[in-house]
Amino acid sequence: AQSVAQPEDQVNVAEGNPLTVKCTYSVSGNPYLFWYVQYPNRGLQFLLKYITGDNLVKGSYGFEAEFNKSQTSFHLKKPSALVSDSALYFCAVRLGDSSASKIIFGSGTRLSIRP
Amino acid sequence: DTGVSQDPRHKITKRGQNVTFRCDPISEHNRLYWYRQTLGQGPEFLTYFQNEAQLEKSRLLSDRFSAERPKGSFSTLEIQRTEQGDSAMYLCASSLARSGSVIYNEQFFGPGTRLTVL
Repeated sequence: AQSVAQPEDQVNVAEGNPLTVKCTYSVSGNPYLFWYVQYPNRGLQFLLKYITGDNLVKGSYGFEAEFNKSQTSFHLKKPSALVSDSALYFCAVRLGDSSASKIIFGSGTRLSIRP
Repeated sequence: DTGVSQDPRHKITKRGQNVTFRCDPISEHNRLYWYRQTLGQGPEFLTYFQNEAQLEKSRLLSDRFSAERPKGSFSTLEIQRTEQGDSAMYLCASSLARSGSVIYNEQFFGPGTRLTVL
């Protein structure tokens, strides 16, 4: 079955430390992968996407994600966390192999950065 | 503000009443999506439009739900005879799909409409 999984409900990191938010996927065809962030009482904001090419994708707010085909993962990373990064993060994957395919979201990971 | 807008931001209604939400996408975007998000979960796809055509509907979209995009611009989502289980955040998103292109562009989300059914 095609799916996307975020195995951690919550990730706690001290400010200034590196952070990783994990995502694994299972899709047929070429995976299009996305990360979104949601702040309280706000809609989702696009962070970055992987379509093809370089496995390391850079996005907004200093975030990056590494596509690993053999491990079917697309983990979100940041070298140095900020308190303002505290939010809910969603990984998403396109189902199917056409521009008409819908995307599905993981269940989300709450990132908490302590000062 | 040139982003996706949704109205109202909050709606409280009594069980059995009908509600309608509106979404205004980014102006040049031809695709419009509706999602439902419950607490602690990721958004769940409901339906999407390309221009005025509704191309896909989720099984989550019962016959009490109807969505329209009559002129290919704004969209409305109506829920008839609301139930307490309909309480959720309803999110709208839009994207640009270029004719003949297989590139899948990211979706841009509005702030959502939070529905509470009493």
